[in-house]
Amino acid sequence: DAGVTQSPTHLIKTRGQQVTLRCSPKSGHDTVSWYQQALGQGPQFIFQYYEEEERQRGNFPDRFSGHQFPNYSSELNVNALLLGDSALYLCASSPGQAYNEQFFGPGTRLTVL
Amino acid sequence: TQLLEQSPQFLSIQEGENLTVYCNSSSVFSSLQWYRQEPGEGPVLLVTVVTGGEVKKLKRLTFQFGDARKDSSLHITAAQPGDTGLYLCAGYTGANSKLTFGKGITLSVRP
Repeated sequence: DAGVTQSPTHLIKTRGQQVTLRCSPKSGHDTVSWYQQALGQGPQFIFQYYEEEERQRGNFPDRFSGHQFPNYSSELNVNALLLGDSALYLCASSPGQAYNEQFFGPGTRLTVL
Repeated sequence: TQLLEQSPQFLSIQEGENLTVYCNSSSVFSSLQWYRQEPGEGPVLLVTVVTGGEVKKLKRLTFQFGDARKDSSLHITAAQPGDTGLYLCAGYTGANSKLTFGKGITLSVRP
């Protein structure tokens, strides 16, 4: 079992650009959640996908959007990048929608210049 | 305002010492989790506590959930350099499935 995988590992973009991050959940998991972790902070919940729909959303602007595919993999898209979007983006998967243990991937380190 | 306050923010101790760190909130949590995160990796779940007053042990780590389910503590006995990392507490409130994290406690155990 490969666990949760994320790609790419690192990414450098400039302000105003758009970025797509990818996540493959742990085998048997159908729910994917995305988090942003700024330096020195705990992860902040962005949104959660279940059955290809966004089911929960945190306090993030519409520039942050996502998608879940039939095979449960997911993408996080960020438009019009700002310097403040520089962070570690974590994907977590779980079996079922709520209250179950979430397994985290290693994250994608995004740097916006 | 941080929903979950963790203290202390930083802790540097000698191998073999004991330590206790805290996770506090004014909100009630239906469950609370502790994670450990190492540089370049995602958080790894250590324990989930659900019942007020619950105590769980994981080898040298002891976790306690407050009676009112608003706070939690993590006690490490005879700390080892391998315990070094960022300790995060996180909880679910009410009926939603959004996991809220604290800022974390950076622990360094010197050999």
